[in-house]
This record gives sequence, structure tokens and C-alpha cells, in this order.
Amino acid sequence: NAGVMQNPRHLVRRRGQEARLRCSPMKGHSHVYWYRQLPEEGLKFMVYLQKENIIDESGMPKERFSAEFPKEGPSILRIQQVVRGDSAAYFCASSRSTGRWGEKLFFGSGTQLSVL
Amino acid sequence: GQQLNQSPQSMFIQEGEDVSMNCTSSSIFNTWLWYKQDPGEGPVLLIALYKAGELTSNGRLTAQFGITRKDSFLNISASIPSDVGIYFCAGQLQGSQGNLIFGKGTKLSVKP
Repeated sequence: NAGVMQNPRHLVRRRGQEARLRCSPMKGHSHVYWYRQLPEEGLKFMVYLQKENIIDESGMPKERFSAEFPKEGPSILRIQQVVRGDSAAYFCASSRSTGRWGEKLFFGSGTQLSVL
Repeated sequence: GQQLNQSPQSMFIQEGEDVSMNCTSSSIFNTWLWYKQDPGEGPVLLIALYKAGELTSNGRLTAQFGITRKDSFLNISASIPSDVGIYFCAGQLQGSQGNLIFGKGTKLSVKP
């Protein structure tokens, strides 16, 4: 997972503020995924993006959350008007491609979001 | 939603012992992945399985994709202190690109 870069590692926000989480995929990877992890839980899928396209956002809350992966630059997960329940570790993963038999996802070190 | 049942939840073992953990589901998966997560870090991929019945090793780790495609196990032989961490299974349903379903993890503690 060394190649997937996420920043910041820790982010503190007050209720109502906006949080922006950044992810640069591994070199050569064009597929990005965002997952959320609550304490003592497994990771939960949020969204899957390719360059400039959202492929699957079935795990994304309908309001306040958005994600993008522009042609240039990192993928951004944006949370508007944060609430305490948004506090979690947010992980980004990337893969080279998708294939018939699935793909290997490589994860970054995560951003720990704390909402005061 | 889809769920993976991972067991055991935690294990306390002596260094040198073998470890076994497994995941089961009521759904059929076309890919099983096993990850290890250290505190404050992201999951690190250990083994990927793509075919029913497939048995794959990675050093002291061995994992198998169940014949029914609804289960998988991970074995660690001759455990060492650095094996400490949380192990997650993750499955991918056919047609769901990138949407991995994770188990709740097995927390492994190794006594030297």
C-alpha cells in the first residue's frame, strides 16, 4: 500500500465545516475507490471512480458527500457540513484495471477524520 | 446488505503456533481477498483468490477459495510476533467492480 498517497493523515473539523480528503493512486493505476471504516469494524465501500467518471457510488450517502477524480490531480472526497457521525477513518484504494475475475485493490494509510 | 461472517473475532496464541481463520457468506463471490491491517494504517493485501477451490500460499500464509464460492480460510503457520494485527477477508460479488465487502476482522495477538 506504500504507493497510494492520502492526505491529510488526520483532519479535525467542527460541526458544519467542510472536509476535503485527497488521494493519489499508485503509479499506473487509473481506478480509485473510497472506503470508510468505523472503530472495530471492517471497511465499507463508498464510491468507485475512473478518471473524470463516477462508476459506482452505491455506498455513498445521498447528501453532503461527493467524490471526484479529475483528469489531472488527485481524487477528492468532499464532505460538506460535517456531523459527529462522519468521524471515521477514510481509506482510498487504487487498482490497475478491472477484469473478469476481479482486481487487486491497494490501500493508502487513510485519513482519520474527527468532528468536534 | 451483503455480509461476511468472519471468525474468530480475536485470537491469543503463543509464538510458533499455527493460526486459522475463516469467512463465510450466504452469497457467491467471484473473488476473495485477505488483508492485514496494522493500527493507524491501511489494509495490506496478503493473498488474492479468483477460482473456486484455489489454494494459494504467500510465505507462511495459505488461503483457499471454497468450492461453493461462499467461503474462504486463511492459515498462518509458525506465527511470529510481527503477525500481530487485524486480518480481514473481503469478497467481491460478480459484476460489482471494486465494491469489496469486508468481514469485521480477526484480531490476532501473539505471545512471545
